[in-house]
Amino acid sequence: GAVVSQHPSWVICKSGTSVKIECRSLDFQATTMFWYRQFPKKSLMLMATSNEGSKATYEQGVEKDKFLINHASLTLSTLTVTSAHPEDSSFYICSATGGGSGANVLTFGAGSRLTVL
Amino acid sequence: QKEVEQNSGPLSVPEGAIASLNCTYSDRGSQSFFWYRQYSGKSPELIMFIYSNGDKEDGRFTAQLNKASQYVSLLIRDSQPSDSATYLCAVNIDDMRFGAGTRLTVKP
Repeated sequence: GAVVSQHPSWVICKSGTSVKIECRSLDFQATTMFWYRQFPKKSLMLMATSNEGSKATYEQGVEKDKFLINHASLTLSTLTVTSAHPEDSSFYICSATGGGSGANVLTFGAGSRLTVL
Repeated sequence: QKEVEQNSGPLSVPEGAIASLNCTYSDRGSQSFFWYRQYSGKSPELIMFIYSNGDKEDGRFTAQLNKASQYVSLLIRDSQPSDSATYLCAVNIDDMRFGAGTRLTVKP
């Protein structure tokens, strides 16, 4: 089945630094990838939709200059949290469609837990 | 009105019982419906999905759609402690929208 690899699985950084999270589709080409954020005991919140070769579409309230998304190839999308602050600490999860399970089925990466000190 | 709503629970059932999870959605034009399971600290994993043309059964899991009332349900038969997790309902509107999830606990 479709596999989405996400790295790193957890990261701790100091306030003010930038953190990059990678999301790769291992056995299929993902023209569209999605980035979600989840706070403890809360639902998944869509941050942005990333299309290969074009600018990401951000959800209302998500700062595009803070959460930089790059989707340079059909198998790789990256999310960079710039100048991270403690309130950015969260569980970030990427997902992709196109794995062949059916129209619009999302395959999720394992998630990246970010802790900003 | 939220696009996808679920009762947050927790829903507690004894081992072997049927667990019934429900989800309502606001957009009548929705065509595909998904159930994901999320264990604590992990990312969601797909259980099953259905289209607007019918229900589906897969092993112990059955997904049912009531288009008139705009809700979709997930039934888990012979519930096991390993089924204890948060169950997320998702509906494809313009993109995938998730409910807040229902936490299920299956007690041995």
